Amino acid sequence: EDQVTQSPEALRLQEGESSSLNCSYTVSGLRGLFWYRQDPGKGPEFLFTLYSAGEEKEKERLKATLTKKESFLHITAPKPEDSATYLCAVQAILGGRDDKIIFGKGTRLHILP
Amino acid sequence: KAGVTQTPRYLIKTRGQQVTLSCSPISGHRSVSWYQQTPGQGLQFLFEYFSETQRNKGNFPGRFSGRQFSNSRSEMNVSTLELGDSALYLCASSLYQGRGYTFGSGTRLTVV
Repeated sequence: EDQVTQSPEALRLQEGESSSLNCSYTVSGLRGLFWYRQDPGKGPEFLFTLYSAGEEKEKERLKATLTKKESFLHITAPKPEDSATYLCAVQAILGGRDDKIIFGKGTRLHILP
Repeated sequence: KAGVTQTPRYLIKTRGQQVTLSCSPISGHRSVSWYQQTPGQGLQFLFEYFSETQRNKGNFPGRFSGRQFSNSRSEMNVSTLELGDSALYLCASSLYQGRGYTFGSGTRLTVV
């Protein structure tokens, strides 16, 4: 069964304390893996798309990496404004033109000043 | 440029009624997808439209339907509402399928 699992569910860090969020996935075929950030009361905000194992993307203090079974979102020297829920989503190939988009439950990140 | 616009922002409906939600994508975006978000299930994919054609569909009953117009605007309809349909419904648009999506702020639907 296709599934996406994010860990940890919640993470509290001190400002400046670097860490990584994990997204592991099991799909028959991967078209793309997406990372989003969601603030309370708002829709998710797109961060990165990764398409193949070995690919890396960076944006400010965030860096996303992809292997054949998981993706990591590394946060370097985070600031309080990085506090949010981080969502991972996988676009799985079903066959033909059909795809399935599966979201993980997210990691709630809280950065303490 | 304007983002993804969803209307209405809040909606209260009675069980058994039907509801239509609207989504205006970013200008030029041809892919529109819909999601349901609840505290228990998280974000779940409903369906995606590209150039007025439904391309992908999640595991939701037939009571959930949608359509896309020639100007890429999209509507989602839920018939015979159930209490469990209470959720935040999010719309997202993208230039192409498989690219990163820009989400709207959602429509908060409460079924009583």
